[in-house]
Amino acid sequence: QSALTQPASVSGSPGQSITISCTGSSSDVGGFNYVSWYQQHTGKPPELMIYDVSNRPSGVSNRFSGSKSGNTASLTISGLQAEDEADYYCSSYTSSSTLVFGGGTKLTVL
Amino acid sequence: QVQLQESGPGLVKPSETLSLTCSVSGGSITTYYWSWIRQPPGKGLEWVGYIYNNGNTNYNPSLKSRVTISVDTSKNQLSLNLISVTAADTAVYFCARVFCSSSSCYGFDYWGQGTLVTVSS
Repeated sequence: QSALTQPASVSGSPGQSITISCTGSSSDVGGFNYVSWYQQHTGKPPELMIYDVSNRPSGVSNRFSGSKSGNTASLTISGLQAEDEADYYCSSYTSSSTLVFGGGTKLTVL
Repeated sequence: QVQLQESGPGLVKPSETLSLTCSVSGGSITTYYWSWIRQPPGKGLEWVGYIYNNGNTNYNPSLKSRVTISVDTSKNQLSLNLISVTAADTAVYFCARVFCSSSSCYGFDYWGQGTLVTVSS
């Protein structure tokens, strides 16, 4: 199975909004509403930020939102803060009953 | 509060078997599904496999012939065995609890801190 495609890096200034894309196929992202997003700070384990495309776990800021159109899912972070600087990964359930991650996106807060 | 802690050798020789344990505290291991995920140094995440609370497993196709995930309910522990390792298996290995929403069980809500395993002679 091939990794989902994410941009290697994105950046934004404090207070701005950014969007990270996650592109797959009809066999994964496009075929199911089972996309998750994770935030990973350096040297730490990932943290679940979004599940089932657009749902936030309890305790996650409402500045984080998710959506999907066709084979591409997106994570939007609004009101960017310095603490948002991290790596972000998407994942999706696949038609083979497996899970696949994206390659990861490094977010820089300018 | 659920806590997960991976343990095992930090160095494994090529062609040998990588064996890791994940100790779960703050909840019964039988109540949830569990997973292993790995991350090569400086690279992205790779899903290794799931184990369900009925003991059934599902593995990454690229690792399926070499990997076994199991649970020891008496010890509340999750285990990973990966045979015939090569340098490409060098990674930080995370254990994680599968998060189940009303419609799916494909996210991970609790993670261990991860343990680095280096494959080298």
